[in-house]
Amino acid sequence: GNSVTQMEGPVTLSEEAFLTINCTYTATGYPSLFWYVQYPGEGLQLLLKATKADDKGSNKGFEATYRKETTSFHLEKGSVQVSDSAVYFCALSERGRGSTLGRLYFGRGTQLTVWP
Amino acid sequence: EPEVTQTPSHQVTQMGQEVILRCVPISNHLYFYWYRQILGQKVEFLVSFYNNEISEKSEIFDDQFSVERPDGSNFTLKIRSTKLEDSAMYFCASNKRQANTEAFFGQGTRLTVV
Repeated sequence: GNSVTQMEGPVTLSEEAFLTINCTYTATGYPSLFWYVQYPGEGLQLLLKATKADDKGSNKGFEATYRKETTSFHLEKGSVQVSDSAVYFCALSERGRGSTLGRLYFGRGTQLTVWP
Repeated sequence: EPEVTQTPSHQVTQMGQEVILRCVPISNHLYFYWYRQILGQKVEFLVSFYNNEISEKSEIFDDQFSVERPDGSNFTLKIRSTKLEDSAMYFCASNKRQANTEAFFGQGTRLTVV
């Protein structure tokens, strides 16, 4: 079946520190991979995505590379800011088969807190 | 910028009561979803809806749950007889196409069953 495992939080960093949030997946088909972010009091927003192996998604200084060989999609940012404090969700969506298309499978979410 | 709107933001209900959670998806989207997140747990898929019918539902989506799109704009989730374990944040999402495209989420409705 499909599942996503991401590192347990919370993660606490100082401003300008390097961030990595690990995400690995299991999929029966050929998934697209996503990182969603949830800022306090807001809904889930797409941060970045990758649709095939070796694709790199990037947005707002965050990056993640679709690694089929390690079934991973780790989120990285070189220098975090206080405004990056949020919950980050790794997710996958399967492609290529009927009615399961579009359904997202989420990880548990990782709370990131950045201190000035 | 178009957005998915959910109402109410917070609903408190007594166990056994019916609740209806409302969502207005983005107007040109065709695929609609409900997810929920019990506090501290994963975001879980409940149901997907396309062309005025359910296209997929999870094992969570039992006979107590129903969805409809009565007027072409609102997309509702009804829980017929709420249980304590239904307390969660419920997210509505919509998508222009099924795969490889961004699903847009609403801000969520926090349902508390007492």
